[in-house]
Amino acid sequence: NAGVTQTPKFQVLKTGQSMTLQCAQDMNHEYMSWYRQDPGMGLRLIHYSVGAGITDQGEVPNGYNVSRSTTEDFPLRLLSAAPSQTSVYFCASSPHGFVNTIYFGEGSWLTVV
Amino acid sequence: KNEVEQSPQNLTAQEGEFITINCSYSVGISALHWLQQHPGGGIVSLFMLSSGKKKHGRLIATINIQEKHSSLHITASHPRDSAVYICAAENTGNQFYFGTGTSLTVIP
Repeated sequence: NAGVTQTPKFQVLKTGQSMTLQCAQDMNHEYMSWYRQDPGMGLRLIHYSVGAGITDQGEVPNGYNVSRSTTEDFPLRLLSAAPSQTSVYFCASSPHGFVNTIYFGEGSWLTVV
Repeated sequence: KNEVEQSPQNLTAQEGEFITINCSYSVGISALHWLQQHPGGGIVSLFMLSSGKKKHGRLIATINIQEKHSSLHITASHPRDSAVYICAAENTGNQFYFGTGTSLTVIP
């Protein structure tokens, strides 16, 4: 029973490098989302998707890109990493269209130096 | 302005104490979620409620829709309850607004 799987768990990047955080869910959920968590702040929405082929921006989308080619996968790409993107990233999924439990991945700790 | 406000930010309790964490929200919601995050760990859903009260073991969550307020209670607290508790308001478009969390430490 995998739920939401995120990789990698830890990553150190140099400024300007690019990378992709992977997220996969096996619950056939339509809604998937990426959040970042910073000290003293609540989780902030980066991008979200309500189904394959559909993505939209959240509160803090700049510097990030997403795609949703399948229901299962929702990767987050950092195009040119900056120190301000040092954070903990969480992927989440839930059924769309009605109130339901939200499931989170284990988190990805990213440091940009 | 934060759509979801939690209090207190930090809470230390002795084992066995009754604990209350409060959450106020300003958005219209379809549901209110309580989440738990252990240090270095992921986030798990404890409760999802849109009215009244729910109970799981020693945890109780209540919501007052008219006052836009929810509470999470822990009875007979235990050191393993030490975690960050996060309140999240879900609107009718499945968008979530998160509080900054309440860090709970239960001392043996």
